[in-house]
Amino acid sequence: KAGVTQTPRYLIKTRGQQVTLSCSPISGHRSVSWYQQTPGQGLQFLFEYFSETQRNKGNFPGRFSGRQFSNSRSEMNVSTLELGDSALYLCASSLGGVWNEQFFGPGTRLTVL
Amino acid sequence: AQTVTQSQPEMSVQEAETVTLSCTYDTSESDYYLFWYKQPPSRQMILVIRQEAYKQQNATENRFSVNFQKAAKSFSLKISDSQLGDAAMYFCAYRSANQGGKLIFGQGTELSVKP
Repeated sequence: KAGVTQTPRYLIKTRGQQVTLSCSPISGHRSVSWYQQTPGQGLQFLFEYFSETQRNKGNFPGRFSGRQFSNSRSEMNVSTLELGDSALYLCASSLGGVWNEQFFGPGTRLTVL
Repeated sequence: AQTVTQSQPEMSVQEAETVTLSCTYDTSESDYYLFWYKQPPSRQMILVIRQEAYKQQNATENRFSVNFQKAAKSFSLKISDSQLGDAAMYFCAYRSANQGGKLIFGQGTELSVKP
């Protein structure tokens, strides 16, 4: 079974631009969660989508948004990029139950110049 | 709000020895789950072990075991017979039974294994 894939793996943008990251979950998984990882703030939850609906949201500004498609693939968008948005963005997929294991992708490394 | 604290930024262990990583958490909930994840240099997060809060028995997965003290809100990870491949960043994480897939992570403990 293929694992969670994230594209692109690396991205360089400049301040003020916007970016879209993609996450393809494991086949059959209906939940996709997104996390931001930085050296200063650690791992922080962005949001979770389940069956195309946002089920949970972290404490991030409205510049961070996401969506999920009918095939469970998810995208995350960050508008008006700031230097502080430079981070590793991880997505994780699961079957959707609270006890189900979350499988993480390799991450997208975003650098904002 | 729930919080997870890992007080040991770095730990070191000799190969074949045992090491314990500490984790404490704060919550007012009674139904939740706790996890330990491993993140090697490749950055791929891997689930090591998990514990349901309502289970008193400590979880065990091969060389990995936990010491879950619910009243003390403590969830430590013990790695026995440490191997070079165990070197990684280890994260303790909390998940509420009422908040879907949201994981709250600690700051992590970087474990090095000396040959």
